[in-house]
Amino acid sequence: GAVVSQHPSRVICKSGTSVKIECRSLDFQATTMFWYRQFPKQSLMLMATSNEGSKATYEQGVEKDKFLINHASLTLSTLTVTSAHPEDSSFYICSAKTPGLVGDTQYFGPGTRLTVL
Amino acid sequence: GEDVEQSLFLSVREGDSSVINCTYTDSSSTYLYWYKQEPGAGLQLLTYIFSNMDMKQDQRLTVLLNKKDKHLSLRIADTQTGDSAIYFCAGGESSASKIIFGSGTRLSIRP
Repeated sequence: GAVVSQHPSRVICKSGTSVKIECRSLDFQATTMFWYRQFPKQSLMLMATSNEGSKATYEQGVEKDKFLINHASLTLSTLTVTSAHPEDSSFYICSAKTPGLVGDTQYFGPGTRLTVL
Repeated sequence: GEDVEQSLFLSVREGDSSVINCTYTDSSSTYLYWYKQEPGAGLQLLTYIFSNMDMKQDQRLTVLLNKKDKHLSLRIADTQTGDSAIYFCAGGESSASKIIFGSGTRLSIRP
């Protein structure tokens, strides 16, 4: 149980294009989803917290107009990187949680590697 | 805010025990977690401990919590090559709050 999927697993795009990453909770309803960014050999940095049906809460320094987050249903959140540039290349990981899961913890997706040329 | 620190590297011999240490600053952290990340993959929850517990054991994994010193450790008994990964400790204040990750400890196993 508590499986989270991400799609795509890897994407390469040209500078200036937009990329959408999907995060799905497969066997539970996620009232809250989180989006993280991980640079090589570094820890996860929280970008934003997304609650179903409401606007995402962005961490300081994260541009909300550049990283658009939509949490339209209890099983799906999307992150759109708009007008991507090479410095946006990174590993993006989502996680999902819902009250009642063991430890009330977050379950992570496998990540999406974005490369912007 | 919460700050979580870990040593960056640990090398152990196969079959020995590995002990990965973590310190945190926010005493209001209620939940403390250990995650494992293999190369190119997401995070796998290994175990967790509530702040009102001192120890938790789950098969080869033992978590020790010293609340006074704000110190958390993960012991892996009989370390195997498949345990090679980066291990992150993380803390959160409540079930609804975000969790903060440490920098990760890269565990390597030598024969």
